[in-house]
Amino acid sequence: GESVGLHLPTLSVQEGDNSIINCAYSNSASDYFIWYKQESGKGPQFIIDIRSNMDKRQGQRVTVLLNKTVKHLSLQIAATQPGDSAVYFCAENNNQGGKLIFGQGTELSVKP
Amino acid sequence: GAGVSQTPSNKVTEKGKYVELRCDPISGHTALYWYRQSLGQGPEFLIYFQGTGAADDSGLPNDRFFAVRPEGSVSTLKIQRTERGDSAVYLCASSLTSTSDQFFGPGTRLTVL
Repeated sequence: GESVGLHLPTLSVQEGDNSIINCAYSNSASDYFIWYKQESGKGPQFIIDIRSNMDKRQGQRVTVLLNKTVKHLSLQIAATQPGDSAVYFCAENNNQGGKLIFGQGTELSVKP
Repeated sequence: GAGVSQTPSNKVTEKGKYVELRCDPISGHTALYWYRQSLGQGPEFLIYFQGTGAADDSGLPNDRFFAVRPEGSVSTLKIQRTERGDSAVYLCASSLTSTSDQFFGPGTRLTVL
């Protein structure tokens, strides 16, 4: 079946560097994509979203890029901090009501 | 304001028992979702409510799982005859409408011995 997946299960970066977390999706009908951050023992925390009619959206220290041609989504975190250490999930809404389909996640580790 | 809350935070039960997991959504949110998350995996959709009615229950794994939202606010996920494979974190999320951003609760960790 169609699903959202991530390229890398783990990512280690130095504090202050920029981080890029990638995600591939397969359902071209999806029109809404979201990035969530999940810390150990907590529920996913909304970071940023993007609609399919956009290719870039910026938030505070985060940018999401959407490339519909190759069905690729990325999350860029500027000046990564130790508090950014967590598992990051991308999710898609494939026009089936509110249901979200999540990828497997990338664990981001920030070294001081 | 208060976020989504879930009770209990942890539940340990024996195989074959019945459990209820509760979700209190953000006030005013009409849509409520249940997901299940196994270790090392992303959340997996179970069921979604719009108001009091289940708009999509396609993710419920079998008829041992049932959820209600009688007054369009609090929801209860019910699992009958629990099995060890039901062990997971059960997450609840709510959103203002079905097309709005979903906000998650902390989850209930269910362990079936």
